[in-house]
Amino acid sequence: AQKVTQAQTEISVVEKEDVTLDCVYETRDTTYYLFWYKQPPSGELVFLIRRNSFDEQNEISGRYSWNFQKSTSSFNFTITASQVVDSAVYFCALSEVTNAGKSTFGDGTTLTVKP
Amino acid sequence: SAVISQKPSRDICQRGTSLTIQCQVDSQVTMMFWYRQQPGQSLTLIATANQGSEATYESGFVIDKFPISRPNLTFSTLTVSNMSPEDSSIYLCSVELRYGYTFGSGTRLTVV
Repeated sequence: AQKVTQAQTEISVVEKEDVTLDCVYETRDTTYYLFWYKQPPSGELVFLIRRNSFDEQNEISGRYSWNFQKSTSSFNFTITASQVVDSAVYFCALSEVTNAGKSTFGDGTTLTVKP
Repeated sequence: SAVISQKPSRDICQRGTSLTIQCQVDSQVTMMFWYRQQPGQSLTLIATANQGSEATYESGFVIDKFPISRPNLTFSTLTVSNMSPEDSSIYLCSVELRYGYTFGSGTRLTVV
């Protein structure tokens, strides 16, 4: 069975601080996908990234970066120089490669960025 | 990227009634997925809908309670039947893109 753990329920930072959201996963599959989504207060779910398990390169997209460590089953997400608009619930998710739409989601981390 | 239109965006329903949620995609997709997000909780997959076949339901979800239609490659409906207050949730549809997944804006359902 697959499992995603986001141990940080809530994080509060002041604008311009860097913040890292942790994600630890469990799966018996040798290949799998990992995702991060953002859910702002308006409620829609915004796709941020998909990572294939055989691609361990870290990725950077603007102020966002992701650190995939297969050895520790972690896929952490860092926001650099946080902004108030980053305030949202962030979900980490895991899926099979053959049925990638069937995702297991973590419980989410609520990030509050204060001005 | 695909655009998903989901409606209604929200509704307040009486217990014992049913609500049908529609999901329209602007491009053809093989599979569509229906999720539920209960208040303050994460997302749980309800079922996978393939065009031309019955939906595949996850553990804890049954067709009688959540019938799904998938008449073509761009459209699907999810019905929440015989509703109770425990069904109050956000219901979201999702489709696969080349690089990931996109979700509809969700239907916020309140059962009173």
